Amino acid sequence: IAGITQAPTSQILAAGRRMTLRCTQDMRHNAMYWYRQDLGLGLRLIHYSNTAGTTGKGEVPDGYSVSRANTDDFPLTLASAVPSQTSVYFCASSDSGETGELFFGEGSRLTVL
Amino acid sequence: RKEVEQDPGPFNVPEGATVAFNCTYSNSASQSFFWYRQDCRKEPKLLMSVYSSGNEDGRFTAQLNRASQYISLLIRDSKLSDSATYLCVVMVTGRRALTFGSGTRLQVQP
Repeated sequence: IAGITQAPTSQILAAGRRMTLRCTQDMRHNAMYWYRQDLGLGLRLIHYSNTAGTTGKGEVPDGYSVSRANTDDFPLTLASAVPSQTSVYFCASSDSGETGELFFGEGSRLTVL
Repeated sequence: RKEVEQDPGPFNVPEGATVAFNCTYSNSASQSFFWYRQDCRKEPKLLMSVYSSGNEDGRFTAQLNRASQYISLLIRDSKLSDSATYLCVVMVTGRRALTFGSGTRLQVQP
């Protein structure tokens, strides 16, 4: 069982470039999330989607966009990358219940120079 | 002020020791509480939920004090494999997503 797959696992990017981080899940979970993790700040929510066709803003949405065309895929796009977007990005999903269990991908380490 | 605050540590303890972590949350609308574990350069994984009456899972005990708005995690008989970062997590009423603390790092030494 794959669970959640993120790609790329690591990327170095020049400032100003456009970048899409991919996230795919095979658990048929309705809800999906993008978090970024920075030292000392923990995991912060960027965007989320409660179900296919809907998205919402999290705590730190500026500079990022998402789409949810179907249940399985939830890509995160940086339209014009800046150095402050250097971080580790985690995609996660959860089922419809409020069990509190998020299933995370292995993360995408992004460096913007 | 962060919604979920934790002592970053590190907590360095010998094998077999008992160690406790505390976490405070500021949003009184927080309804559900959890501890996640994150190994170095890995993704977070659910360790246990925290119930109002307190709950235990093997060597791990979690407690919730709603009046004081803090959550604790106790680890007994620490193992080397317990070395990780422990994330305190809350779910606020009306929000679907979880709010994470920045984590407490535990290093168990032989």
